[in-house]
Amino acid sequence: QKEVEQNSGPLSVPEGAIASLNCTYSDRGSQSFFWYRQYSGKSPELIMSIYSNGDKEDGRFTAQLNKASQYVSLLIRDSQPSDSATYLCAVNSPGGSYIPTFGRGTSLIVHP
Amino acid sequence: DGGITQSPKYLFRKEGQNVTLSCEQNLNHDAMYWYRQDPGQGLRLIYYSQIVNDFQKGDIAEGYSVSREKKESFPLTVTSAQKNPTAFYLCASSISRSGNSYNSPLHFGNGTRLTVT
Repeated sequence: QKEVEQNSGPLSVPEGAIASLNCTYSDRGSQSFFWYRQYSGKSPELIMSIYSNGDKEDGRFTAQLNKASQYVSLLIRDSQPSDSATYLCAVNSPGGSYIPTFGRGTSLIVHP
Repeated sequence: DGGITQSPKYLFRKEGQNVTLSCEQNLNHDAMYWYRQDPGQGLRLIYYSQIVNDFQKGDIAEGYSVSREKKESFPLTVTSAQKNPTAFYLCASSISRSGNSYNSPLHFGNGTRLTVT
């Protein structure tokens, strides 16, 4: 059974700090990794995708992938109150026919 | 603008009634998906379709049915056999699963919130 695990939080950080969100997955053959942001009552929106080991930066967001340890993380620099949302990790794996499997999400609260 | 349209946004039904949720996309995507989300939970896959006239069960297909008669449309019917139908339903699409498109992310509609009493 393919699994994607996230700490449900909430993760509370002060404005301007770095928020670090983590995700682990069970299928070692997983190939594609995505981070979605979901505001309360809204649908998820893609913020980052990563496919190879290492870091990928996009503005204030950095995704980190370590396939050997089977984890992927999302760093948000200079966190803003508008970043307060639930962050969903999704993984595509051959064991799941490349259909995305989602973690339960981590709730992030950025307080002024 | 291209996108995915789900309707209605809110839906209220009495227990024992079947209800159909609409999902239409104009992104020319081959693959479409239905997910269910309960409070504090992640997304759970109900059904998916990779090509017209073909669809597969996801992890929680019991009590649901779908059709894929057109590339643009993937309606979901919640039947009276679904024990706990009240939830937030999300439709999504992605480009074809062939070739190198296994890396393609999902594009989501705005969701339908179904309440059954």
